[in-house]
Amino acid sequence: AQKITQTQPGMFVQEKEAVTLDCTYDTSDPSYGLFWYKQPSSGEMIFLIYQGSYDQQNATEGRYSLNFQKARKSANLVISASQLGDSAMYFCAMRLTGTASKLTFGTGTRLQVTL
Amino acid sequence: DVKVTQSSRYLVKRTGEKVFLECVQDMDHENMFWYRQDPGLGLRLIYFSYDVKMKEKGDIPEGYSVSREKKERFSLILESASTNQTSMYLCASSYPPGQGDSQPQHFGDGTRLSIL
Repeated sequence: AQKITQTQPGMFVQEKEAVTLDCTYDTSDPSYGLFWYKQPSSGEMIFLIYQGSYDQQNATEGRYSLNFQKARKSANLVISASQLGDSAMYFCAMRLTGTASKLTFGTGTRLQVTL
Repeated sequence: DVKVTQSSRYLVKRTGEKVFLECVQDMDHENMFWYRQDPGLGLRLIYFSYDVKMKEKGDIPEGYSVSREKKERFSLILESASTNQTSMYLCASSYPPGQGDSQPQHFGDGTRLSIL
């Protein structure tokens, strides 16, 4: 069975600084995808970034980038130039390729951006 | 833009009641999902459906059932609500795997359900 581990329950970062949110995963399947979602206090889940297990380059989307280290089974989210609006819960999730799109989620990291 | 709409943002029900949570998506997605979210536990899959009238159990199906009579609508049913089902419930939809593995699940805004 797949497992996602997010070891940081809470993180603080100053505005305009970069922050890394950790995610490690466990699967014996060679083909999978990794997703990061943001959940503001209002509750909606917002998709941020995707990394496929066979992708050669780390994914980037604007201020978000994914530090993918396949051998270490880690997929850390890097947010550059943090903004107050980045304060939210962040979830890492994994999906095995070819399955019925089921996602396995981590427990999340609450990020607080301060002035 | 994909729109996943959950019928209620907040809901308060009593122990023993039969509770219906409704979810509608407008993107013609084959797959639909129900999760519950609890502090410190992340999101856990209750049930999912990959076609009309088709359903599969997720990781925590006990005490729940689902219905999918039309492609765009997926209902979660609490047969006899109990206090331990007080939680945030999230509905999601997506294309099937063959239409792009990078396609994310799209979520509704969630329903905060309290069982008294």
